[in-house]
Amino acid sequence: QINLRESGPALVRPAQTLTVTCSFSGFSLTSNGVGVGWIRQSPGKALEWLAVVYWNDDKRYNPSLIDRLTITKDIYKDQVVLTMTNISPEDTATYYCSYSVFDYFGSGSFSSDFWGLGTLVTVS
Amino acid sequence: SYELTQPPSVSVSPGQTAWITCSGDALPKKYAYWYQKKSGQAPLLVIFDDTERASGIPERFVGSSSGTMATLTINGAHMEDEADYYCYSTDITGEHWVFGGGTKLTVL
Repeated sequence: QINLRESGPALVRPAQTLTVTCSFSGFSLTSNGVGVGWIRQSPGKALEWLAVVYWNDDKRYNPSLIDRLTITKDIYKDQVVLTMTNISPEDTATYYCSYSVFDYFGSGSFSSDFWGLGTLVTVS
Repeated sequence: SYELTQPPSVSVSPGQTAWITCSGDALPKKYAYWYQKKSGQAPLLVIFDDTERASGIPERFVGSSSGTMATLTINGAHMEDEADYYCYSTDITGEHWVFGGGTKLTVL
């Protein structure tokens, strides 16, 4: 059974660095095609894709946030960590992590995914 | 940066058909996905690879794509289908994922 759980600070001060952690079970981040990504939703706003890390340690970032984001994986702890620097109130959001298996060397598509329940981070 | 454009809102009566569109320049070459998002819940994958229903999704949800536009059709909308719907795809490089701005579906 696949489970993902996000954790992080509920309140962060502006200009600080935010660290959110995705702890997962039921799959391995060493399996071909696996990717774990981060998505957020600010209150009243649309979903926003942030970053993804693949099983082969390939990483991709939202171009508009690339200067502020770092995604890392720990295959021993079964965790994926996202850090965001120089945060502001506009970064207040629920942060979700999700797991998919991608057709990495083909179309890049996926057919299913699993999400955590999200963690709400307020910047104030 | 790449953008996917959706109408902000769509309204239908129960039992009617709802169409939610998503336009993007890379859609002729990249798959579209559709998510249903209800308040307080994680997004739920509805359609993948333009036209395929995700596991457990009712047959009334139909995806299609032509040229630069992808469409989610809900045939005979139910009250429980009321939600925000987001299209999702990649830019032409395939490296960066993008959500559309979301469409609020009202069924009343």
